[in-house]
Amino acid sequence: NAGVTQTPKFRVLKTGQSMTLLCAQDMNHEYMYWYRQDPGMGLRLIHYSVGEGTTAKGEVPDGYNVSRLKKQNFLLGLESAAPSQTSVYFCASSRSSIRGEKLFFGSGTQLSVL
Amino acid sequence: QQPVQSPQAVILREGEDAVINCSSSKALYSVHWYRQKHGEAPVFLMILLKGGEQKGHEKISASFNEKKQQSSLYLTASQLSYSGTYFCGTEGRGGSNYKLTFGKGTLLTVNP
Repeated sequence: NAGVTQTPKFRVLKTGQSMTLLCAQDMNHEYMYWYRQDPGMGLRLIHYSVGEGTTAKGEVPDGYNVSRLKKQNFLLGLESAAPSQTSVYFCASSRSSIRGEKLFFGSGTQLSVL
Repeated sequence: QQPVQSPQAVILREGEDAVINCSSSKALYSVHWYRQKHGEAPVFLMILLKGGEQKGHEKISASFNEKKQQSSLYLTASQLSYSGTYFCGTEGRGGSNYKLTFGKGTLLTVNP
């Protein structure tokens, strides 16, 4: 039981390049989330999904797109990377609605955009 | 809106106590607490639901004041392993707002 797995762990991009971060969970969780973490800012929600085929915007969605084609996977895409997107990205999942359910986090992806 | 955590940082000697506060400007359904060690993922500590409090660990407890929209995390007889950044996450009431909004964190350092 791996929990929440993120790939890749590290990535360096040039401005304007695109990439996709993959999050996979093997706990059959309904809800999945993408957060970014910047120094002194805490964790900020980018997008989230309440089930297969659904997505919704979080606090800082601009510049990102997501897809949840399969229940176990939640993809985060950067179409045209900018230096402001340099951050550590965490994926998380929960069994159902966050009400009373804890989040399980992946180990993070450190992204640098030059 | 992000909840406000205080203090931003605290330094303790092993065995001392600490309190971390989390305050929201909106009505809350629940408050979550997580701890993150440097370079690692956040790890769940406990959830406080409407109308009550819940202890997740022996020497770490928390309270939730619904009316004041505040929560406090209490760490007693701190150990070196308590060092890390503590985040509160709040869930607002109403609608389908099933997501957590995290504070900026409180850096706790426990020294020998």
